[in-house]
Amino acid sequence: AQSVTQLDSQVPVFEEAPVELRCNYSSSVSVYLFWYVQYPNQGLQLLLKYLSGSTLVESINGFEAEFNKSQTSFHLRKPSVHISDTAEYFCAVSEKTSGSRLTFGEGTQLTVNP
Amino acid sequence: GAGVSQTPSNKVTEKGKYVELRCDPISGHTALYWYRQSLGQGPEFLIYFQGTGAADDSGLPNDRFFAVRPEGSVSTLKIQRTERGDSAVYLCASSLTSGRQETQYFGPGTRLLVL
Repeated sequence: AQSVTQLDSQVPVFEEAPVELRCNYSSSVSVYLFWYVQYPNQGLQLLLKYLSGSTLVESINGFEAEFNKSQTSFHLRKPSVHISDTAEYFCAVSEKTSGSRLTFGEGTQLTVNP
Repeated sequence: GAGVSQTPSNKVTEKGKYVELRCDPISGHTALYWYRQSLGQGPEFLIYFQGTGAADDSGLPNDRFFAVRPEGSVSTLKIQRTERGDSAVYLCASSLTSGRQETQYFGPGTRLLVL
């Protein structure tokens, strides 16, 4: 069985500061990795995903995440955040060899202050 | 186009009652998933359908929970003899196929409160 740990439940930052949201996973088999975002009063939306190939993946709004197999991590980063990035961010995995279910971490609330 | 929709958006019921939660997936999506999100937690997998059949129901917590998708489109999650611990947001997602790399598109959820 797989598990996901998001090390920070809350991350407050100031606007235009860099941010890193940490995610570590545990699995006995290879996995696909996802970051989902939930804006206030909205449903979960896919931010980015790693399937294969380049270990660095990017989203359209400036976020990026790097898959590190040796450290079993998939940290999410943005060099300069905006107030509109305030949301809850969830890291998730699915196992390549069994099923389509996503296993989520507990989420990190990112709050960007002016 | 239309996304995943869920009804009702909120449901308040009394302990011991029966509830049904409905999910309308994105048109043409063959895979449908149910998750449950308790306060302060990430979503937890309940069940997923490929077409009309439940391909994996290992996340259903007990036999009070049941889900159907009779025509391969709309799905209903049914909870019998509700308990206060069932209070949560129930999320539905759909994907084009059940491929493990497919993006799952989530609905807004049904917030269930059992008094």
